[in-house]
This record gives sequence, structure tokens and C-alpha cells, in this order.
Amino acid sequence: GESVGLHLPTLSVQEGDNSIINCAYSNSASDYFIWYKQESGKGPQFIIDIRSNMDKRQGQRVTVLLNKTVKHLSLQIAATQPGDSAVYFCAEGDTGFQKLVFGTGTRLLVSP
Amino acid sequence: EPEVTQTPSHQVTQMGQEVILRCVPISNHLYFYWYRQILGQKVEFLVSFYNNEISEKSEIFDDQFSVERPDGSNFTLKIRSTKLEDSAMYFCASSNSPGGPAEQYFGPGTRLTVT
Repeated sequence: GESVGLHLPTLSVQEGDNSIINCAYSNSASDYFIWYKQESGKGPQFIIDIRSNMDKRQGQRVTVLLNKTVKHLSLQIAATQPGDSAVYFCAEGDTGFQKLVFGTGTRLLVSP
Repeated sequence: EPEVTQTPSHQVTQMGQEVILRCVPISNHLYFYWYRQILGQKVEFLVSFYNNEISEKSEIFDDQFSVERPDGSNFTLKIRSTKLEDSAMYFCASSNSPGGPAEQYFGPGTRLTVT
């Protein structure tokens, strides 16, 4: 069956450090992957996505890497700021993207 | 920036009662979704809706659940007879395309508490 999971439930970093959040997925048929940020009391907020025909995509201070060989997805946040503190979810889209399958989430704590 | 809105922000109901959760998707979006998140757990897909019909639903979305787009702006989730295990955050999302790169925009959620 499908499953998307995260290795680390909590990641603590210092302000200014680079953060790396990892995600493993099991459905090799997925062709769309997304990272969402969820702050307390709010809905998931889109950060960045990547299609399966790519292995890297960059946004503002964020980079997503996709390794299809080992079914691994990562989110890199450069120069992490206290405002980046949140729970980060990876999600995968199935054919037609009718639904998103979310991972279990990693809490990022950024200390000033 | 346009956003998805949801009402109420918090709904408390007794077991066995019917609840309707309301969402106003982004105005030019055509694809609508409901997800739920039990406290401390991951976000789970419930149902997707397009062209006035359900396009996909999960096993969670049983006969107690229904969705409707009663007019051109609202999208509702009804739970006919709530159970304690229905207590969760319910998120509505919308997108203007089912395919990428078109992300689903999520609303702030409705916290449903069933007592």
C-alpha cells in the first residue's frame, strides 16, 4: 500500500543554520511531491513541489531534492529563522492528483 | 492574496448529531477537497470533488459523510451522525488544476469536537 513517512519527529536547530528535513515514500508510482508547512492552529501552507522527472528544485531559501532510486525526499531550508518553526509535512500526489497522501510530520524548532 | 476560508473555526457537538462544515474555496478554483487531521497525527484525505460530483474518496469517507456545492461559492462537508472518533481538525482545500505544478490551497480548518 501507499505510505509516506518521516525519519525524525523533531529537529532542533540554531537560527542561521541550514535545516534538512527528510521523508521516505513507498509508492514508486507517485509523480508529484510537495512540502507543506503547518504552524500551530493553521492549515498546511504550500512551500515547494517537485515532479518525478526532476531531482532538484529551488525556491526562496528552500530546496527540495528527490531521489527516486531510494524513494527519498528532502527539504533544505537555508539560514533557518525562528519564523520557520513549524511542523513540516511531505505529501505525494497520485495519478491525476485527486488526493495528497501526507507523511507523519517533522517538528522544526529554531532557537534564536 | 485569495485564500480558502472555513466556518466555524470550532464546532462542538454531541455524539449522534449532524454537523455541517462550511468552506469557501478560492473563486476561480474548480477542484475541491476535504482532509482531516486527528490531534497529533498526519493529515488524511477524505474526498475530492469536481464538476459537481465526487471524483475520489477514501475509506474514511463512509455513508455518514457527504459533500455538496450548494451554490457557486460554498463547499460543505456534512457528517450525518457524529461519533467520538470524528473529533479532528477538518481542512478544506482547493486548486485550479488537479495536476501540477498546481498546489492545493488549504483553509485554516474547523476543529470538530464530539462529546
